[in-house]
Amino acid sequence: QSVVTQPPSVSGAPGQWVSISCIGSRSNIGAGYDVHWYQHLPGTAPKLLIYADTVRPSGVPDRFSGSKSGASASLAITGLQAEDEADYYCQSYDNSLSGWVFGGGTKLTVL
Amino acid sequence: QVQLVDSGGGVVQPGKSLRLSCEASGFIFSDYALHWVRQAPGKGLEWVAFISYDGTNKYYADSVKGRFTISRDDSKSTLYLQISSLRDEDSAVYYCTREVPLPTPGGDKSYPLGYWGQGTPVTVSS
Repeated sequence: QSVVTQPPSVSGAPGQWVSISCIGSRSNIGAGYDVHWYQHLPGTAPKLLIYADTVRPSGVPDRFSGSKSGASASLAITGLQAEDEADYYCQSYDNSLSGWVFGGGTKLTVL
Repeated sequence: QVQLVDSGGGVVQPGKSLRLSCEASGFIFSDYALHWVRQAPGKGLEWVAFISYDGTNKYYADSVKGRFTISRDDSKSTLYLQISSLRDEDSAVYYCTREVPLPTPGGDKSYPLGYWGQGTPVTVSS
């Protein structure tokens, strides 16, 4: 069980907006460590989607955005497309575990 | 371009050992810290181990501490993960991944994992 909590699943229709939460604590996100988001399609390598809480790497559509407040972070996806259907993970560092941590992952279904 | 190629996985009996490899290209290997991350069947991503750019600092998840050893051979641009005393719960796809050092207030513990290998599957089965 991860120390960073994500909803197991979210869903939305094409064109709609969804948000995925990532709830941590004072030893990880709340301690000021950056939150990163990854998109993972089955059978492929995870892909960095958002880094340093809010920054999109080159090539990531601006439909994806990240935010952070206190010990929580969120990933928002607007204008849902079928190709967005994947698993999404937040990731940070935890100073009480002295290690890096992933959220439990959220499966996005595009209806 | 940056490329990481994972290998060494397979079917192994409980209690046995295995060495995973990750061959890197497209960047100066000795300049970067590296991690291993795994995904068990039906589960999420789990961070496993870290090694600093110069090999002096190594950290492990509690679930593997004392059984797994991360190492690197800069002359071969290759990262390793020696896995011993394998357990059923070690069955997973193992990915090597490279940090992207970026200026951030979060410090070097906050670097994102920007490049990933394709993963190598390990199945622990008698």
